[in-house]
Amino acid sequence: GAVVSQHPSWVICKSGTSVKIECRSLDFQATTMFWYRQFPKQSLMLMATSNEGSKATYEQGVEKDKFLINHASLTLSTLTVTSAHPEDSSFYICSATSFPPSSQETQYFGPGTRLLVL
Amino acid sequence: GENVEQHPSTLSVQEGDSAVIKCTYSDSASNYFPWYKQELGKRPQLIIDIRSNVGEKKDQRIAVTLNKTAKHFSLHITETQPEDSAVYFCAAIDNYGQNFVFGPGTRLSVLP
Repeated sequence: GAVVSQHPSWVICKSGTSVKIECRSLDFQATTMFWYRQFPKQSLMLMATSNEGSKATYEQGVEKDKFLINHASLTLSTLTVTSAHPEDSSFYICSATSFPPSSQETQYFGPGTRLLVL
Repeated sequence: GENVEQHPSTLSVQEGDSAVIKCTYSDSASNYFPWYKQELGKRPQLIIDIRSNVGEKKDQRIAVTLNKTAKHFSLHITETQPEDSAVYFCAAIDNYGQNFVFGPGTRLSVLP
């Protein structure tokens, strides 16, 4: 299947700093990328949907100024957690899809980034 | 918007037995239903999917059934093995991939 990478795999930072997470589709062009957040023993929570070249669409309750998403190319999307606080500590997972126009609308997930804010 | 429910939240079976996880969805426009397996600390991996024009799909020990009228779909794992132990998520997606909703997950434990 398609490969999606995510970097870094884990990060520890001090409260108040900003953290950037990269999501790359390695062998296909991702017209749409999704960012999820996952707390322990809970489901994936969609944070935002980003389409290449346009502004991300944020889910209700997600602060767009807090979680900056940039989908500058068909293979790269970044999530920046600005002024991180301990409550932002979580597992962040991106996924990518080449749909449309391909019929492959399934999502391919990155390996995730574990963020710990001290 | 779409709402996906999943039951049970936890499931323990003896090795060799079958496991069934059921999901219901609310949006009749949803027409693609993937199932993901997530091992502890790892990314979700697609294990099987089904489209709304198909009632059943099977891949070795894994099968998925879809009842569009009742708006529910189920994952069936036969001859379970310890390596099947994981959290399983169902999801429902509309035709344009813009309404992608996960179920809350089922933690499956296969006991040796």
